[in-house]
Amino acid sequence: QSALTQPASVSGSPGQSITISCTGTSSDVGGYNYVSWYQQHPGKAPKLMIYDVTDRPSGVSNRFSGSKSGNTASLTISGLQAEDEADYYCSSYTSSSTVVFGGGTKLTVL
Amino acid sequence: EVQLVESGGGLVQPGRSLRLSCAASGFTFDDYAMHWVRQAPGKGLEWVSGSSWNSGTIGYADSVKGRFIISRDNAKNSLYLQMNSLRAEDTALYYCVKDATAGDSGSYSFDYWGQGTLVTVSS
Repeated sequence: QSALTQPASVSGSPGQSITISCTGTSSDVGGYNYVSWYQQHPGKAPKLMIYDVTDRPSGVSNRFSGSKSGNTASLTISGLQAEDEADYYCSSYTSSSTVVFGGGTKLTVL
Repeated sequence: EVQLVESGGGLVQPGRSLRLSCAASGFTFDDYAMHWVRQAPGKGLEWVSGSSWNSGTIGYADSVKGRFIISRDNAKNSLYLQMNSLRAEDTALYYCVKDATAGDSGSYSFDYWGQGTLVTVSS
């Protein structure tokens, strides 16, 4: 159960778009459409932003979008805002009937 | 309003046991799979265990398999985690989380999180 691979940090200026990658294997990300993305602000519980690779829960801004190609999933945030500064985690269902998270990416809005 | 309230955390010595509880409200508890996710201080998220709506499908992370036991009481809208043979590396904030999709085993995405209960394993 190795963690999914995410960049440790990304940054962007307000109004720009950024993409966070999440790389796994054919036994997790590449094998199932059960990839999710979470946003976590300091001291707060995580918030679901994307599920089933591309779907947004009710109430989540359409500036957030998800995609997948092969063993790599991606979260794109367009029109970057100061409030988007947070840690972001991806997760995936695995062939072992477990869930694996990525190591997390710190997003800095410059 | 969906609420998940964890309890049972605390300071415990290595090798001892602890039982976490999660009281759920605001949704039909027995329609959803439920999970435990933990976060060590300053670290990332780690899935610990999950149970389908009827406890028919249960899974554990390799790091806790054989030591932790997840259970649920649908009549009491409650989820539990029995933690045995605790180690220093089990020190973390433990979140009770609800699966986003009703039925069977769910979609393994988590739409509601409690505020967590802190477990500290130290002598």
